[in-house]
Amino acid sequence: NAGVTQTPKFRILKIGQSMTLQCTQDMNHNYMYWYRQDPGMGLKLIYYSVGAGITDKGEVPNGYNVSRSTTEDFPLRLELAAPSQTSVYFCASSSPRLGGGETQYFGPGTRLLVL
Amino acid sequence: GENVEQHPSTLSVQEGDSAVIKCTYSDSASNYFPWYKQELGKRPQLIIDIRSNVGEKKDQRIAVTLNKTAKHFSLHITETQPEDSAVYFCAVLTQGGSEKLVFGKGTKLTVNP
Repeated sequence: NAGVTQTPKFRILKIGQSMTLQCTQDMNHNYMYWYRQDPGMGLKLIYYSVGAGITDKGEVPNGYNVSRSTTEDFPLRLELAAPSQTSVYFCASSSPRLGGGETQYFGPGTRLLVL
Repeated sequence: GENVEQHPSTLSVQEGDSAVIKCTYSDSASNYFPWYKQELGKRPQLIIDIRSNVGEKKDQRIAVTLNKTAKHFSLHITETQPEDSAVYFCAVLTQGGSEKLVFGKGTKLTVNP
């Protein structure tokens, strides 16, 4: 299994441009997440999905959109990029567990620079 | 919502010493507490976790303790090695069935040879 994969690894955007960060997992996990990690900071949840066709906002959703048409893919869309969106973006996935708490597996991350 | 505080933000120890990182949380209903290690430029990886029905869990040189009454949990690393140098994040699972984790801000551990 490849686990969680993300593309691209690195991208430079100009202010106002848009792009889609791709995330794919091959572990048949129902739950998928997008986090951003600013320098020297922890991970903040942007959006998450508990299954195909179901998405919900996390802590910092403004400026982003997601879709989940399949179990495997969970793309993150940035519209009208702003310098404040310069960050490292991590996608993660997990399976639900009775009683809660299953390991979240992270992708390698996408480093985004908005100038 | 859940609030997770992690201390210290940086920790420097000599090789062979022990390191302790502490986290506090606010929601007494939380029941799952993982710890992630993130090496420079890499993805976070789970190193140990604990559920609220146990007070301590060990895995070789790593242990986690949980005090549900005081709403805090700690990561203990014994006999530290240079390869333990990384940023460590605690996390708390929020309630409501969505499997959302709230992360602490991280502790940068440096193990000096």
